[in-house]
Amino acid sequence: RKEVEQDPGPFNVPEGATVAFNCTYSNSASQSFFWYRQDCRKEPKLLMSVYSSGNEDGRFTAQLNRASQYISLLIRDSKLSDSATYLCVVITIGMTTDSWGKLQFGAGTQVVVTP
Amino acid sequence: NAGVTQTPKFRILKIGQSMTLQCAQDMNHNYMYWYRQDPGMGLKLIYYSVGAGITDKGEVPNGYNVSRSTTEDFPLRLELAAPSQTSVYFCASSPLWGNTEAFFGQGTRLTVV
Repeated sequence: RKEVEQDPGPFNVPEGATVAFNCTYSNSASQSFFWYRQDCRKEPKLLMSVYSSGNEDGRFTAQLNRASQYISLLIRDSKLSDSATYLCVVITIGMTTDSWGKLQFGAGTQVVVTP
Repeated sequence: NAGVTQTPKFRILKIGQSMTLQCAQDMNHNYMYWYRQDPGMGLKLIYYSVGAGITDKGEVPNGYNVSRSTTEDFPLRLELAAPSQTSVYFCASSPLWGNTEAFFGQGTRLTVV
């Protein structure tokens, strides 16, 4: 089982609609969570951190469900410019050298906003 | 505001050739990473470093080597290039482990023919 899994999509969303998608992680000790955005052939850029209580940044809402081990991203009032691949990132900090807080990426969820 | 700088941006290699992908960051970050991204796929960790002199393997280290002699630089060496190494390579850095943002370079697009 992959450590971080995402539905690859694509999610085809009419402009103005709401879209939501999840990311599951396998290690219950994971401590930090992020959503990154990647435009075609460009480098990933941080969209938002995900806090335990859930957080909102404009039209974007991120939530964490530790019991079920997933995070979610909801985009309201979708814009054409929201078309991108959204990458889930998990950081797990452990006591061994192979878990020194390295970032683990999901494969990404593609969102296509159509006029 | 240089951030993370990768060179070259594009490169075509012949099978069996070697090259070094350069990565430098000017943010005094401890953590640095090398990822590869194949078309339509997610990022796979090749190697990472938690500080100068310390490196460790990621998911897909075979065919690559790294060194971290300074905090700023984290070069990735490809020995005996193979077509399977055709990919986009991203270098990233972050200040500390924990709840911190990672910053990415613009990527190196490598084709092995």
